Amino acid sequence: AQSVSQHNHHVILSEAASLELGCNYSYGGTVNLFWYVQYPGQHLQLLLKYFSGDPLVKGIKGFEAEFIKSKFSFNLRKPSVQWSDTAEYFCAVIPTGAGSYQLTFGKGTKLSVIP
Amino acid sequence: KAGVTQTPRYLIKTRGQQVTLSCSPISGHRSVSWYQQTPGQGLQFLFEYFSETQRNKGNFPGRFSGRQFSNSRSEMNVSTLELGDSALYLCASSAGQNQPQHFGDGTRLSIL
Repeated sequence: AQSVSQHNHHVILSEAASLELGCNYSYGGTVNLFWYVQYPGQHLQLLLKYFSGDPLVKGIKGFEAEFIKSKFSFNLRKPSVQWSDTAEYFCAVIPTGAGSYQLTFGKGTKLSVIP
Repeated sequence: KAGVTQTPRYLIKTRGQQVTLSCSPISGHRSVSWYQQTPGQGLQFLFEYFSETQRNKGNFPGRFSGRQFSNSRSEMNVSTLELGDSALYLCASSAGQNQPQHFGDGTRLSIL
């Protein structure tokens, strides 16, 4: 079974600071990778996804993530955060093989951006 | 396109009761998954349905069950409710296995 580890439980940054949230997964085969965001009081929204191809993927709101296969990592980055980025961020994986339909999430990282 | 719709938004039940939650997927999506979200355990997969068939089940007791109808709408049932079942229950729909899942607002279930 697959598992996902997010390194930071809570990150506090000032506006304009750069952001990097770590995500590592454990699975023996190929996976599709996702970052979801949950703003306060709102539903989970897809930030970006990686299926194949260029390991550097760009998502909405200026976020990007890099898939490093050798490190089983899919870290989320943003060069300059804004107060509106305050939210909880979840990394998730799903195996690409037939018969695998279970999306596995990390525990999430709460990001607080101070104006 | 309307998003994933879950009803009701809030529910309060007492121990021992049972509850049914409903999910309407995005039009055209045939895969529906259910998740439980709690502060301690995070997001945990319950089960996934496609064309009225359960294809995957997470590690939850048999008190948790679900079904999917021919129009892809899904229901989740929890019987003999326990205090620990208090959580946000999320439904997600997808157009296919290699497509992202889109989530609803969830049903917040509180057990007294």
